[in-house]
Amino acid sequence: DAGVIQSPRHEVTEMGQEVTLRCKPISGHDYLFWYRQTMMRGLELLIYFNNNVPIDDSGMPEDRFSAKMPNASFSTLKIQPSEPRDSAVYFCASSRINQPQHFGDGTRLSIL
Amino acid sequence: AQSVTQPDIHITVSEGASLELRCNYSYGATPYLFWYVQSPGQGLQLLLKYFSGDTLVQGIKGFEAEFKRSQSSFNLRKPSVHWSDAAEYFCAVVSGGYNKLIFGAGTRLAVHP
Repeated sequence: DAGVIQSPRHEVTEMGQEVTLRCKPISGHDYLFWYRQTMMRGLELLIYFNNNVPIDDSGMPEDRFSAKMPNASFSTLKIQPSEPRDSAVYFCASSRINQPQHFGDGTRLSIL
Repeated sequence: AQSVTQPDIHITVSEGASLELRCNYSYGATPYLFWYVQSPGQGLQLLLKYFSGDTLVQGIKGFEAEFKRSQSSFNLRKPSVHWSDAAEYFCAVVSGGYNKLIFGAGTRLAVHP
């Protein structure tokens, strides 16, 4: 099986621009998670989906952040407008019920 | 509320030495526990998991962990560390339904030649 695929691997953009991060979960996994990792705050859960439905978005820092899962094989995390404090590594993970989460390699985002 | 504590932020060991990374959890019922490893620039890779049964769990790369309910601990061990084990290690517990994980803050392992 292919693992969780994230794109792009790196993104550098200017403050105020819209950023879209993409994730393809492992086929057959019905849970999808978005995380943010920074030195200061560690690994934070932003939002997660079950069967394409958002279950808990309480970790989303602000209204500038939004996530969608239009189908079982694709999810996006969007930041609009982006700010320098959004610079971080963003991870997507997927799993089946009662099974470990599998992580993608992340998107390193730099907002100038 | 569930929580995971990794008391050691940094650990340095010599290559070939034994290793134990500590993890304590707070959870009312029988927990589902995990150890993940993150190498620089990479995502988190599952080392091992505990769901039930034998309290000594074997994982990949020669790692093992022991679940001790009385101590609310799930410590990770390796008898002989290799330089390639230098990475950050995260302990995690499933919180409630939906497979949500609560992660510890991580322990960064350095290995001296």
